[in-house]
Amino acid sequence: DTEVTQTPKHLVMGMTNKKSLKCEQHMGHRAMYWYKQKAKKPPELMFVYSYEKLSINESVPSRFSPECPNSSLLNLHLHALQPEDSALYLCASSFAMVGGAGANVLTFGAGSRLTVL
Amino acid sequence: AQSVTQLDSQVPVFEEAPVELRCNYSSSVSVYLFWYVQYPNQGLQLLLKYLSGSTLVESINGFEAEFNKSQTSFHLRKPSVHISDTAEYFCAVSDSRRVWAQKLVFGQGTRLTINP
Repeated sequence: DTEVTQTPKHLVMGMTNKKSLKCEQHMGHRAMYWYKQKAKKPPELMFVYSYEKLSINESVPSRFSPECPNSSLLNLHLHALQPEDSALYLCASSFAMVGGAGANVLTFGAGSRLTVL
Repeated sequence: AQSVTQLDSQVPVFEEAPVELRCNYSSSVSVYLFWYVQYPNQGLQLLLKYLSGSTLVESINGFEAEFNKSQTSFHLRKPSVHISDTAEYFCAVSDSRRVWAQKLVFGQGTRLTINP
């Protein structure tokens, strides 16, 4: 299995809703990432988990809450979002170890397109 | 910190013509370099990478890129493009010293449009 699976593919939510995005991989990767991509822009890093611990938080607003319940799963909990949070949310994973053929290479999922009304 | 500059936001070419997408990076430490491709309404797919060794790297679908340390460049080339190559191409860089959690920095992207 060489894929990163993201669900749902599309999500529409109101500003008072609570929803979650889910990401799953079975490649044995121990680093998992959330990126946000606005239209016609490059992806921007939000969070990185390494060995199920939060390693990097790029000053993301608290209305975005990441969770890594185990080495294969990554969630992004959404609450009280704003219309400007509408974007494509990309999950990625990588090995987190010294050396190795796949070290330092991120594999991305297809993304979850979020629309906040 | 690292940064990436993709010099062309859009590149239109005719089918079967050669193409070069330019990428320059800035970094005070050694880096790894990547090209990712994004087809419409999809995620990012790794096209090719430079981690070490030969400075010329190739992908399975005919693209190649050459790491030039003196010019801090990693330009992407293909000798003959196809309609199916129409996509957004992102150059990216990461700090080679980091192992546990990568901070991949992307350029602004180049939109490659292939005309028949």
